[in-house]
Amino acid sequence: KAGVTQTPRYLIKTRGQQVTLSCSPISGHRSVSWYQQTPGQGLQFLFEYFSETQRNKGNFPGRFSGRQFSNSRSEMNVSTLELGDSALYLCASSFGRDRTDTQYFGPGTRLTVL
Amino acid sequence: AQTVTQSQPEMSVQEAETVTLSCTYDTSESDYYLFWYKQPPSRQMILVIRQEAYKQQNATENRFSVNFQKAAKSFSLKISDSQLGDAAMYFCAYRSASGSWGKLQFGAGTQVVVTP
Repeated sequence: KAGVTQTPRYLIKTRGQQVTLSCSPISGHRSVSWYQQTPGQGLQFLFEYFSETQRNKGNFPGRFSGRQFSNSRSEMNVSTLELGDSALYLCASSFGRDRTDTQYFGPGTRLTVL
Repeated sequence: AQTVTQSQPEMSVQEAETVTLSCTYDTSESDYYLFWYKQPPSRQMILVIRQEAYKQQNATENRFSVNFQKAAKSFSLKISDSQLGDAAMYFCAYRSASGSWGKLQFGAGTQVVVTP
C-alpha cells in the first residue's frame, strides 16, 4: 500500500510570492491534516480537511489556506510569503471516521523563503 | 487547551541499553489518545506506539513500551535494547477522542543519540 506522498519535496521562493503544496493520502483515507515544523515553534497544526470540508483549523493567519478534492488529495496555499514561513510542511492522512483514528505522515515539503 | 511537555531536549544511550523518554500533558478531557512518533534525519514522521486513555494496560510494540499514568498525566516511552537505527527525534503527541480526530498536539521533542 502506497504511503502519503507530498510534492514538491523542496521549494525556494522569495518574499511576497505565493506557493502551493500538494498531499496525496493513503488510499481509502479521507482526512488530511497539515502541520508546520520550525526550529523555533516546533510542530504546529494548520488545518484538517475531511470529505472536501475543513473540519479543524489551527491558529494561523488567513494567508494559509487549503482545500481538498473529491479524490481526497489536498493542497495547501500560502500567499504573500514571509521569511518566517520557511519551514518543513508535513501532511498526514487518516480514515477520519472515528475515535480510533491514527495519522500517517508524508515525507514533508521543505519550503525556503528568501 | 491541551499542552504537551517533553522536558528532555536530548538523551544519550549506548547500543543494547535502555532509555526512557518522558512526556507530560495537561488536559481536562478524560478520553483521549497519546502517541509517540519518531522523526529520523530523513524527516519522515513514523508512528512508534499509541495509547488509549481509557485502557489501563500499557501499550507495547516490540522493543518500545510506554508507562501511562493517567492520574499523573504522564506518558513515558521506554526503548529497550537500543539500536543505532533508533537515533532520531521523538515526539509525544496528544489527540482528543471527541471530534478533533485530525488534530495532533505535539511536544517539543527529545533527540535520542545512540552510541556504539
